[in-house]
Amino acid sequence: DVKVTQSSRYLVKRTGEKVFLECVQDMDHENMFWYRQDPGLGLRLIYFSYDVKMKEKGDIPEGYSVSREKKERFSLILESASTNQTSMYLCATFMTGSYNSPLHFGNGTRLTVT
Amino acid sequence: AQSVTQLGSHVSVSEGALVLLRCNYSSSVPPYLFWYVQYPNQGLQLLLKYTTGATLVKGINGFEAEFKKSETSFHLTKPSAHMSDAAEYFCAVTLSGGSNYKLTFGKGTLLTVNP
Repeated sequence: DVKVTQSSRYLVKRTGEKVFLECVQDMDHENMFWYRQDPGLGLRLIYFSYDVKMKEKGDIPEGYSVSREKKERFSLILESASTNQTSMYLCATFMTGSYNSPLHFGNGTRLTVT
Repeated sequence: AQSVTQLGSHVSVSEGALVLLRCNYSSSVPPYLFWYVQYPNQGLQLLLKYTTGATLVKGINGFEAEFKKSETSFHLTKPSAHMSDAAEYFCAVTLSGGSNYKLTFGKGTLLTVNP
């Protein structure tokens, strides 16, 4: 079974802080994704990565950046946290080779910015 | 461009009743379609998927979905709801043959099952 681990389940940060959300997978998947989940808005793609040191913007990249220095780890960075970034953040991975493969999700990090 | 519309942000059924969660998609090329389920305080997990071939797709926990190209729909059904089915359900689409994998999700439908 694929395991996708997000380092924090709950996180509380102050406005203006730099925030790191970490995601680690154990299945050697090339593709990793960061989604944001908000009530009534579903999941929205922030950034994704197809390989080490490679990244692409998703639908809502503003205010975020990412880092992929190793294949198994994909970090989401909030350069200067704001209250409108309070949300549930979900990391997911996907095996290259077939577009009908499922995404494998972590359990999420619920971030509150005060 | 691809998009997904889930009709009804909240559906409530009685235990033992039929579950019907609606999903319509928009896609310029043949799509791959998915239903994911999210139980409280968990990430999403795959319920079922349609790629090619049979239009009636069976998934886990007794759920199934039918791909209807003429109606651009992929509705999720279960004949008899169980209390454990209470969760949020997401329909998602990606395009076949695309150069990048990008899954677009609907806004979700919260299913409540009443005893």
